[in-house]
Amino acid sequence: AQKVTQAQTEISVVEKEDVTLDCVYETRDTTYYLFWYKQPPSGELVFLIRRNSFDEQNEISGRYSWNFQKSTSSFNFTITASQVVDSAVYFCALNINTGNQFYFGTGTSLTVIP
Amino acid sequence: GAVVSQHPSWVICKSGTSVKIECRSLDFQATTMFWYRQFPKQSLMLMATSNEGSKATYEQGVEKDKFLINHASLTLSTLTVTSAHPEDSSFYICSATRDSFQPQHFGDGTRLSIL
Repeated sequence: AQKVTQAQTEISVVEKEDVTLDCVYETRDTTYYLFWYKQPPSGELVFLIRRNSFDEQNEISGRYSWNFQKSTSSFNFTITASQVVDSAVYFCALNINTGNQFYFGTGTSLTVIP
Repeated sequence: GAVVSQHPSWVICKSGTSVKIECRSLDFQATTMFWYRQFPKQSLMLMATSNEGSKATYEQGVEKDKFLINHASLTLSTLTVTSAHPEDSSFYICSATRDSFQPQHFGDGTRLSIL
């Protein structure tokens, strides 16, 4: 069975602090993709990153970085020097090739306080 | 990049009304489209998967007679909430993909409020 767990329901940080959002996944498939999406109050899902199961390289994009560790089935997301515009709900998701099923975590609501 | 358009973005209507939501892939052919539902402060839950030209596959607990899905072309899928009631009020999001190995592209969602 597939499952994505985001244990942090809500996080508040002060502007310019770093923050890490945790994501742990479960799957028996060997080929899968992991995603992070941002959902601002307006509701649309903003794609942030896709990582396939064979690529464990960490990635950095501006203030965003992702740490993928298959050994712990985790795909954590760090925002460096957070800004108020980062306030949103962030979803981690698992996509397996079989049937193209997409499994979302429960989301982490991030509030950046000015 | 791939664009998925969802219309309308917001609907308010009376109980008993049927509401149709459209999901269009604007610059690619979507063999598969997905419909999700999201209640306030909750995650996205997959309702159904629709493949062009065939019947949709509904997730357990989703009433297919209540939520009619039509995927008549490679660029359009529609979700009709029949005889909507207040408990159907939710945020509905569609996504589309070219094939099983391609990422899904999400629409901007439809906020449905039933009075």
